[in-house]
Amino acid sequence: DVVMTQSPLSLPVTLGQPASISCRSSQSLVYSDGNTYLNWFQQRPGQSPRRLIYKVSKRDSGVPDRFSGSGSGTDFTLKISRVEAEDVAVYYCMQGTHWPRTFGQGTKVEIK
Amino acid sequence: QVQLVESGGGLVKPGGSLRLSCAASGFTFSDYYMSWIRQAPGKGLEWVSCISSSGSTIYYADSVKGRFTISRDNAKNSLYLQMNSLRAEDTAVYYCARDIQLYAWGQGTLVTVSS
Repeated sequence: DVVMTQSPLSLPVTLGQPASISCRSSQSLVYSDGNTYLNWFQQRPGQSPRRLIYKVSKRDSGVPDRFSGSGSGTDFTLKISRVEAEDVAVYYCMQGTHWPRTFGQGTKVEIK
Repeated sequence: QVQLVESGGGLVKPGGSLRLSCAASGFTFSDYYMSWIRQAPGKGLEWVSCISSSGSTIYYADSVKGRFTISRDNAKNSLYLQMNSLRAEDTAVYYCARDIQLYAWGQGTLVTVSS
């Protein structure tokens, strides 16, 4: 199975400051169609997960543009340009290239 | 908009069975793969199973293979997860999600396996 490794696992951030989460996969996530299926999810306290980013860098509808995804191959990053109070959540990366699908351990973003 | 509503969770003894359902609306259900994902209390997300739009292609996590069966009824816009031989480690909130890249999720249903 493809192992997804996130860092850090806990990220205290000052409001208005940037935040960055790393996600590394144990195998390349480039699919045979040329696309890279790396997704990012946000899970706020007490809520279901919500997809923020798909195919590495494409934002889902309604996702603020302060969220951005980047990376290639096995190395990916989720960035929040200026953290707001509503961004307090656990963030998960998930690879959608190989079966079985696998998630990272999750990164808890909290306000300092 | 896409709406997914899970049901069927509850308390069951080890070795028992449970059938989860997911009612879909707001999109053409028969056009999409559907998935189940679970989350043990206080833990991360674990992908469980996925079924193609026609039901002809199915994938399972090794942890549930041979015990869980995913199915769908496109006429009823519904997804199912039949869970047999349940173990304590199956205790989790079970979510259904649309497509293989998990575009939208339901609110989840809690399954507790305990004697």
